[in-house]
Amino acid sequence: GAVVSQHPSRVICKSGTSVKIECRSLDFQATTMFWYRQFPKQSLMLMATSNEGSKATYEQGVEKDKFLINHASLTLSTLTVTSAHPEDSSFYICSARVRGLGEAFFGQGTRLTVV
Amino acid sequence: AQSVTQPDIHITVSEGASLELRCNYSYGATPYLFWYVQSPGQGLQLLLKYFSGDTLVQGIKGFEAEFKRSQSSFNLRKPSVHWSDAAEYFCAVGVDSSYKLIFGSGTRLLVRP
Repeated sequence: GAVVSQHPSRVICKSGTSVKIECRSLDFQATTMFWYRQFPKQSLMLMATSNEGSKATYEQGVEKDKFLINHASLTLSTLTVTSAHPEDSSFYICSARVRGLGEAFFGQGTRLTVV
Repeated sequence: AQSVTQPDIHITVSEGASLELRCNYSYGATPYLFWYVQSPGQGLQLLLKYFSGDTLVQGIKGFEAEFKRSQSSFNLRKPSVHWSDAAEYFCAVGVDSSYKLIFGSGTRLLVRP
């Protein structure tokens, strides 16, 4: 199956700094990428949908100025958590979809801890 | 609004026993339905999916699921559970052609030796 690589797998940052998480489709071109957030022992909540070359569509309640999403190419999307605070600590997971293929493939996730 | 309900937070079964994980959805149109499995600290792996056609869907690792429109359900089953099946299982519905997914709250499966 298709492989989605997410980097880094774990990151610890200081409060007030920014963190960038990368999501790459390794062997296919992803027309659409999704970013999810998962709190401990909870489900995945969709944060935003990004299509290559266009602005991301954010879900209600997600601060677009805090969670910057860039989908500059068909194989790379990035999520930047700006001015991170401890409440941003979470597990972030991306997924990538190929047009015409009936599923999206998930990355392995990034554990963000803000101290 | 679209939603997915997994009524069982935890399920414990003995190794070799059968398994059924429940999933109910709320969606106005014909749904795209998925089951994913997540090991601790990992991403999600697709077990199976339903788009149309035969309502009994076969997936990987010996799992199957049955779509029942009348009950708005898509329950996951396995005839004989292995210890390696212990994980978190998520049911999801795709709400539009982009395959944006709405996830259920998950069911944690524990397997007794």
